[in-house]
Amino acid sequence: AQTVTQSQPEMSVQEAETVTLSCTYDTSESDYYLFWYKQPPSRQMILVIRQEAYKQQNATENRFSVNFQKAAKSFSLKISDSQLGDAAMYFCAYFFGNEKLTFGTGTRLTIIP
Amino acid sequence: DSGVTQTPKHLITATGQRVTLRCSPRSGDLSVYWYQQSLDQGLQFLIQYYNGEERAKGNILERFSAQQFPDLHSELNLSSLELGDSALYFCASSPGQGAIGNTIYFGEGSWLTVV
Repeated sequence: AQTVTQSQPEMSVQEAETVTLSCTYDTSESDYYLFWYKQPPSRQMILVIRQEAYKQQNATENRFSVNFQKAAKSFSLKISDSQLGDAAMYFCAYFFGNEKLTFGTGTRLTIIP
Repeated sequence: DSGVTQTPKHLITATGQRVTLRCSPRSGDLSVYWYQQSLDQGLQFLIQYYNGEERAKGNILERFSAQQFPDLHSELNLSSLELGDSALYFCASSPGQGAIGNTIYFGEGSWLTVV
């Protein structure tokens, strides 16, 4: 079974600085999707960024980018110029075919003003 | 706005009662997923439907059931409710297998409080 591991339960970063959240996963598949979701205090699940495994280029969405290392099965999220609104729980997730989304346990990110 | 609509947004009910949560997926999406998130907990997968058929089952209690209708909306039925069923219930949808740019979007969730 696929597993997703987020080894950092909590992280903090100074406002305007850069922070990287780690995620590793285990799969025997070659073509899959990886996601980062943000869950702010409102508890909405907001899609931050998506990576298709067959694409070598790392996905980027404004201040959010990923470092996708397929061989190492690593998928980290980098947040640049951190803002107070970035404070949230961040979940890494794996998706293959038409199966369920498998989530990591989440990393709680605190932004220090 | 993700395009996934969940109703009701908030629900308070008594133990032993039955409730129905409703989900309308994004236009064109064939897959619907239900997740449960208790306070300070991760997301627990309950069940998935694809084009009206049950596709996968997670840790869904026997007191819970779901279905996806021909118009692709889905309902999650929770019966004989217990205090521990109080949680945020998410619905999510995706186009389905083989879809280009397959992405899963979540609704805003239905907050269920059992008293």
